[in-house]
Amino acid sequence: GAGVSQSPSNKVTEKGKDVELRCDPISGHTALYWYRQSLGQGLEFLIYFQGNSAPDKSGLPSDRFSAERTGGSVSTLTIQRTQQEDSAVYLCASSFEWNTEAFFGQGTRLTVV
Amino acid sequence: AQRVTQPEKLLSVFKGAPVELKCNYSYSGSPELFWYVQYSRQRLQLLLRHISRESIKGFTADLNKGETSFHLKKPFAQEEDSAMYYCALASYSSASKIIFGSGTRLSIRP
Repeated sequence: GAGVSQSPSNKVTEKGKDVELRCDPISGHTALYWYRQSLGQGLEFLIYFQGNSAPDKSGLPSDRFSAERTGGSVSTLTIQRTQQEDSAVYLCASSFEWNTEAFFGQGTRLTVV
Repeated sequence: AQRVTQPEKLLSVFKGAPVELKCNYSYSGSPELFWYVQYSRQRLQLLLRHISRESIKGFTADLNKGETSFHLKKPFAQEEDSAMYYCALASYSSASKIIFGSGTRLSIRP
């Protein structure tokens, strides 16, 4: 596809369940970012990948959050034992280099009930 | 520590009035700064970056290293400018990444 694709678009899950959010970046983009956007809040940095490695995981809120990227392409953000405070829109972005324009996906709206 | 500060959560101005969205940064070195915009029900997208020195949709932003600011300006606001605006900094460090401010919601009143 031409842009960054995220799936699912919406996810409703029960508290305590695990969820996986997927991001397909633009082909050839080496940098990939995950951010979280809570209602009325700004962008909270979660994790950054350069290729398959994650030089910065400092934004992950707790050890329930993890992410991986394979083949320098698709990335998966996993949240274990979801809590209500995890409800937010999770945004993925990719860029050709880390300091060039970042292209964002449409986001995954996660609701934990 | 690298940081981007947008002091205003909400800015409301009348159509035709000048707009200035404030952005201050904390960074040791030569920064690369961006403004991103998110219109209602659309994806977050790049508006402009300081190295391009462009005017996009009538918006400009000047990097002031002395004041560590990168304010976004437009002389005459239009209703279609209503959106969420984020200032961002590309941070050169051991773990280079793009850092975003908390965002300012711009509302243009008719």
